[in-house]
Amino acid sequence: QKEVEQNSGPLSVPEGAIASLNCTYSDRVSQSFFWYRQYSGKSPELIMSIYSNGDKEDGRFTAQLNKASQYVSLLIRDSQPSDSATYLCAVKASNTGKLIFGQGTTLQVKP
Amino acid sequence: EAGVAQSPRYKIIEKRQSVAFWCNPISGHATLYWYQQILGQGPKLLIQFQNNGVVDDSQLPKDRFSAERLKGVDSTLKIQPAKLEDSAVYLCASSFGLAVSYNEQFFGPGTRLTVL
Repeated sequence: QKEVEQNSGPLSVPEGAIASLNCTYSDRVSQSFFWYRQYSGKSPELIMSIYSNGDKEDGRFTAQLNKASQYVSLLIRDSQPSDSATYLCAVKASNTGKLIFGQGTTLQVKP
Repeated sequence: EAGVAQSPRYKIIEKRQSVAFWCNPISGHATLYWYQQILGQGPKLLIQFQNNGVVDDSQLPKDRFSAERLKGVDSTLKIQPAKLEDSAVYLCASSFGLAVSYNEQFFGPGTRLTVL
Protein backbone atom coordinates (compact mmCIF):
# COMPACT_ATOMS: atom_id res chain seq x y z
CA GLN A 1 0.00 0.00 0.00
CA LYS A 2 1.33 3.43 -0.97
CA GLU A 3 1.70 5.88 1.91
CA VAL A 4 -0.30 8.59 0.11
CA GLU A 5 -2.66 7.61 -2.68
CA GLN A 6 -4.38 9.74 -5.28
CA ASN A 7 -6.22 8.89 -8.46
CA SER A 8 -3.93 10.06 -11.26
CA GLY A 9 -6.87 11.08 -13.45
CA PRO A 10 -7.27 13.00 -15.59
CA LEU A 11 -10.33 14.45 -13.92
CA SER A 12 -12.27 16.49 -16.42
CA VAL A 13 -14.91 19.02 -15.36
CA PRO A 14 -16.71 21.78 -17.25
CA GLU A 15 -16.01 25.41 -16.46
CA GLY A 16 -18.06 26.59 -13.49
CA ALA A 17 -18.48 23.12 -11.99
CA ILE A 18 -17.13 21.82 -8.68
CA ALA A 19 -13.96 19.73 -8.94
CA SER A 20 -13.45 17.15 -6.17
CA LEU A 21 -9.96 15.75 -5.60
CA ASN A 22 -9.37 12.93 -3.15
CA CYS A 23 -6.44 11.54 -1.20
CA THR A 24 -5.99 8.71 1.29
CA TYR A 25 -3.02 8.11 3.58
CA SER A 26 -1.74 5.17 5.57
CA ASP A 27 -0.02 6.74 8.62
CA ARG A 28 -2.83 6.95 11.18
CA VAL A 29 -0.99 9.46 13.40
CA SER A 30 -0.26 12.04 10.69
CA GLN A 31 -1.21 15.53 11.80
CA SER A 32 -0.51 17.89 8.90
CA PHE A 33 -1.94 17.77 5.41
CA PHE A 34 -1.25 19.94 2.39
CA TRP A 35 -2.50 20.48 -1.14
CA TYR A 36 -0.10 21.76 -3.79
CA ARG A 37 -0.92 22.83 -7.33
CA GLN A 38 1.64 22.14 -10.04
CA TYR A 39 1.34 23.57 -13.53
CA SER A 40 3.14 21.71 -16.30
CA GLY A 41 6.86 22.51 -16.20
CA LYS A 42 6.56 24.47 -12.96
CA SER A 43 7.27 23.70 -9.32
CA PRO A 44 4.58 22.87 -6.73
CA GLU A 45 2.71 25.81 -5.22
CA LEU A 46 1.10 25.51 -1.78
CA ILE A 47 -2.61 26.26 -1.94
CA MET A 48 -4.05 24.77 1.26
CA SER A 49 -2.95 23.33 4.57
CA ILE A 50 -5.23 21.60 7.09
CA TYR A 51 -4.46 20.23 10.53
CA SER A 52 -7.78 19.34 12.19
CA ASN A 53 -10.88 17.40 11.23
CA GLY A 54 -13.52 19.23 9.25
CA ASP A 55 -13.51 21.80 6.51
CA LYS A 56 -11.19 24.72 5.82
CA GLU A 57 -12.21 27.26 3.21
CA ASP A 58 -10.04 29.74 1.31
CA GLY A 59 -11.75 31.51 -1.56
CA ARG A 60 -12.90 28.94 -4.10
CA PHE A 61 -10.93 26.17 -2.37
CA THR A 62 -12.15 23.96 0.48
CA ALA A 63 -10.00 21.31 2.11
CA GLN A 64 -11.74 18.54 4.04
CA LEU A 65 -10.04 16.24 6.54
CA ASN A 66 -11.38 13.04 8.11
CA LYS A 67 -8.67 11.49 10.27
CA ALA A 68 -10.83 8.52 11.27
CA SER A 69 -11.14 7.53 7.61
CA GLN A 70 -7.58 8.72 6.79
CA TYR A 71 -8.98 10.80 4.00
CA VAL A 72 -8.36 14.34 2.81
CA SER A 73 -10.01 16.08 -0.11
CA LEU A 74 -9.90 19.35 -2.01
CA LEU A 75 -12.97 20.97 -3.53
CA ILE A 76 -12.61 23.68 -6.14
CA ARG A 77 -15.81 25.67 -6.68
CA ASP A 78 -16.58 27.54 -9.90
CA SER A 79 -13.70 25.79 -11.67
CA GLN A 80 -11.84 27.87 -14.24
CA PRO A 81 -9.63 26.78 -17.15
CA SER A 82 -6.73 28.32 -15.22
CA ASP A 83 -7.28 25.68 -12.53
CA SER A 84 -6.13 23.01 -15.01
CA ALA A 85 -3.03 21.55 -13.36
CA THR A 86 -1.81 18.59 -11.32
CA TYR A 87 -2.87 18.67 -7.67
CA LEU A 88 -0.52 17.01 -5.21
CA CYS A 89 -1.63 15.79 -1.80
CA ALA A 90 1.12 15.79 0.83
CA VAL A 91 1.10 14.33 4.33
CA LYS A 92 3.63 15.13 7.02
CA ALA A 93 5.18 11.93 8.37
CA SER A 94 4.69 11.59 12.10
CA ASN A 95 8.16 10.26 12.85
CA THR A 96 10.47 12.56 10.87
CA GLY A 97 8.29 15.45 9.82
CA LYS A 98 9.07 15.03 6.14
CA LEU A 99 6.33 15.46 3.55
CA ILE A 100 5.18 12.38 1.68
CA PHE A 101 3.51 13.20 -1.63
CA GLY A 102 0.95 11.34 -3.63
CA GLN A 103 1.49 10.99 -7.36
CA GLY A 104 -0.92 13.82 -8.09
CA THR A 105 -4.28 14.13 -9.84
CA THR A 106 -4.43 15.92 -13.18
CA LEU A 107 -7.41 18.26 -13.43
CA GLN A 108 -8.71 19.50 -16.76
CA VAL A 109 -11.29 22.29 -16.75
CA LYS A 110 -12.95 22.59 -20.13
CA PRO A 111 -14.38 25.94 -21.29
CA GLU B 1 9.63 38.55 0.22
CA ALA B 2 11.98 36.70 -2.10
CA GLY B 3 11.21 33.05 -2.71
CA VAL B 4 13.47 30.01 -2.81
CA ALA B 5 16.23 30.45 -5.39
CA GLN B 6 17.79 27.60 -7.33
CA SER B 7 20.42 27.33 -10.03
CA PRO B 8 20.95 26.23 -12.66
CA ARG B 9 17.44 25.87 -14.09
CA TYR B 10 18.48 23.28 -16.65
CA LYS B 11 21.44 20.92 -16.93
CA ILE B 12 22.33 18.28 -19.50
CA ILE B 13 25.19 15.91 -18.77
CA GLU B 14 26.40 12.52 -19.88
CA LYS B 15 26.24 9.49 -17.61
CA ARG B 16 29.16 9.12 -15.22
CA GLN B 17 29.71 12.90 -15.16
CA SER B 18 29.18 14.94 -12.02
CA VAL B 19 26.76 17.80 -11.43
CA ALA B 20 25.95 20.21 -8.62
CA PHE B 21 22.81 22.16 -7.79
CA TRP B 22 22.54 25.21 -5.56
CA CYS B 23 19.67 26.42 -3.40
CA ASN B 24 19.10 29.54 -1.32
CA PRO B 25 16.02 29.30 0.95
CA ILE B 26 13.59 31.99 1.98
CA SER B 27 15.26 34.34 4.45
CA GLY B 28 14.77 33.15 8.02
CA HIS B 29 13.75 29.62 7.10
CA ALA B 30 15.67 27.13 9.21
CA THR B 31 14.59 23.97 7.44
CA LEU B 32 15.69 23.13 3.91
CA TYR B 33 14.64 20.16 1.80
CA TRP B 34 15.88 18.60 -1.42
CA TYR B 35 13.34 16.60 -3.44
CA GLN B 36 13.61 14.56 -6.61
CA GLN B 37 10.59 14.58 -8.92
CA ILE B 38 10.51 12.07 -11.74
CA LEU B 39 8.03 12.79 -14.54
CA GLY B 40 4.52 11.69 -13.60
CA GLN B 41 5.33 11.22 -9.91
CA GLY B 42 5.10 13.32 -6.79
CA PRO B 43 8.26 14.77 -5.26
CA LYS B 44 10.35 12.38 -3.17
CA LEU B 45 12.42 13.72 -0.29
CA LEU B 46 16.15 13.16 -0.66
CA ILE B 47 17.49 15.06 2.35
CA GLN B 48 16.22 17.45 5.01
CA PHE B 49 18.34 19.94 6.95
CA GLN B 50 17.50 21.80 10.14
CA ASN B 51 19.94 24.72 10.15
CA ASN B 52 23.22 22.98 9.20
CA GLY B 53 22.31 19.55 10.60
CA VAL B 54 20.80 16.62 8.71
CA VAL B 55 17.35 15.58 9.96
CA ASP B 56 16.54 12.90 7.38
CA ASP B 57 18.64 11.47 4.56
CA SER B 58 17.14 7.99 4.54
CA GLN B 59 16.25 8.14 0.84
CA LEU B 60 19.46 9.75 -0.38
CA PRO B 61 21.54 7.35 -2.53
CA LYS B 62 24.69 8.03 -0.58
CA ASP B 63 26.97 6.16 -2.95
CA ARG B 64 26.47 8.90 -5.52
CA PHE B 65 24.54 11.77 -3.95
CA SER B 66 25.84 14.22 -1.37
CA ALA B 67 24.50 17.44 0.09
CA GLU B 68 25.71 20.09 2.46
CA ARG B 69 24.45 23.21 4.19
CA LEU B 70 27.60 24.37 5.88
CA LYS B 71 26.51 27.76 7.23
CA GLY B 72 22.86 26.90 7.74
CA VAL B 73 21.67 29.04 4.84
CA ASP B 74 22.27 27.98 1.24
CA SER B 75 22.81 24.38 0.23
CA THR B 76 24.44 22.33 -2.51
CA LEU B 77 23.34 18.92 -3.80
CA LYS B 78 25.87 16.92 -5.82
CA ILE B 79 25.59 13.80 -7.95
CA GLN B 80 28.76 11.92 -8.82
CA PRO B 81 28.71 9.88 -11.00
CA ALA B 82 25.33 10.45 -12.63
CA LYS B 83 23.21 7.62 -13.99
CA LEU B 84 20.48 7.70 -16.63
CA GLU B 85 17.83 7.17 -13.93
CA ASP B 86 18.88 10.42 -12.23
CA SER B 87 17.10 12.37 -14.96
CA ALA B 88 14.49 14.32 -13.02
CA VAL B 89 13.63 17.71 -11.63
CA TYR B 90 15.47 18.52 -8.42
CA LEU B 91 13.40 20.73 -6.18
CA CYS B 92 14.56 22.69 -3.18
CA ALA B 93 12.03 23.77 -0.56
CA SER B 94 12.22 25.58 2.75
CA SER B 95 10.07 26.07 5.82
CA PHE B 96 10.32 28.25 8.90
CA GLY B 97 10.79 25.22 11.13
CA LEU B 98 9.60 21.74 11.99
CA ALA B 99 6.75 22.55 14.37
CA VAL B 100 3.26 21.95 13.02
CA SER B 101 2.45 25.63 12.64
CA TYR B 102 5.74 26.35 10.87
CA ASN B 103 5.94 23.38 8.56
CA GLU B 104 4.46 24.84 5.39
CA GLN B 105 7.06 24.21 2.71
CA PHE B 106 7.67 26.54 -0.22
CA PHE B 107 9.39 25.33 -3.36
CA GLY B 108 11.94 26.89 -5.64
CA PRO B 109 11.65 26.71 -9.44
CA GLY B 110 13.66 23.47 -9.64
CA THR B 111 16.55 22.24 -11.77
CA ARG B 112 15.69 19.97 -14.66
CA LEU B 113 18.49 17.42 -15.09
CA THR B 114 18.84 15.31 -18.21
CA VAL B 115 21.42 12.52 -18.16
CA LEU B 116 22.33 11.18 -21.62
